[in-house]
Amino acid sequence: GAVVSQHPSRVICKSGTSVKIECRSLDFQATTMFWYRQFPKQSLMLMATSNEGSKATYEQGVEKDKFLINHASLTLSTLTVTSAHPEDSSFYICSASLGIWQYFGPGTRLTVT
Amino acid sequence: KQEVTQIPAALSVPEGENLVLNCSFTDSAIYNLQWFRQDPGKGLTSLLLIQSSQREQTSGRLNASLDKSSGRSTLYIAASQPGDSATYLCAAYSGGGADGLTFGKGTHLIIQP
Repeated sequence: GAVVSQHPSRVICKSGTSVKIECRSLDFQATTMFWYRQFPKQSLMLMATSNEGSKATYEQGVEKDKFLINHASLTLSTLTVTSAHPEDSSFYICSASLGIWQYFGPGTRLTVT
Repeated sequence: KQEVTQIPAALSVPEGENLVLNCSFTDSAIYNLQWFRQDPGKGLTSLLLIQSSQREQTSGRLNASLDKSSGRSTLYIAASQPGDSATYLCAAYSGGGADGLTFGKGTHLIIQP
């Protein structure tokens, strides 16, 4: 149980375009989902906390107008990278909380050319 | 702000050896500490979670300990195998259900056959 999926697993886009990443909890409902970013050889850094039905809470230094988060249901959160630039190329991982546990998706590799 | 440090950053040992990975955190007011495994280009696999009231947790060949007062946790891997090769991340959970995890940078482990 407690499976989280992400789609797509890999995406390549051109600079200036927008990309949407989906995070779904498949067999449980998650009031809260989290979005992390991981650059090569670095740790996962929390970008934002996504709460169902309300605005996301962004960590310091993360541009909320660039990284749009929508948590429209208890099983789906989306992250849209707007006007993507090469420096946004990274590994994006979401997690969904169930009690004290966080269950992680498999990640999305974004490459901006 | 919580900071998590992992030592060593990389470790290479022959198959069959027992080894210890170290994790330290600056704020001892944690709810739990979790160890994850990450394979190259993949998401996270949760290995062990230690509640703040616990001293250790065991799963198969893995044993994780927690010393809140000193801000340290260790992951002990017994009888290492080549399949254990991966990056091991520890993460501290400091808040309620609406808070994300604070990750260390990880220890890149290679088990030589």
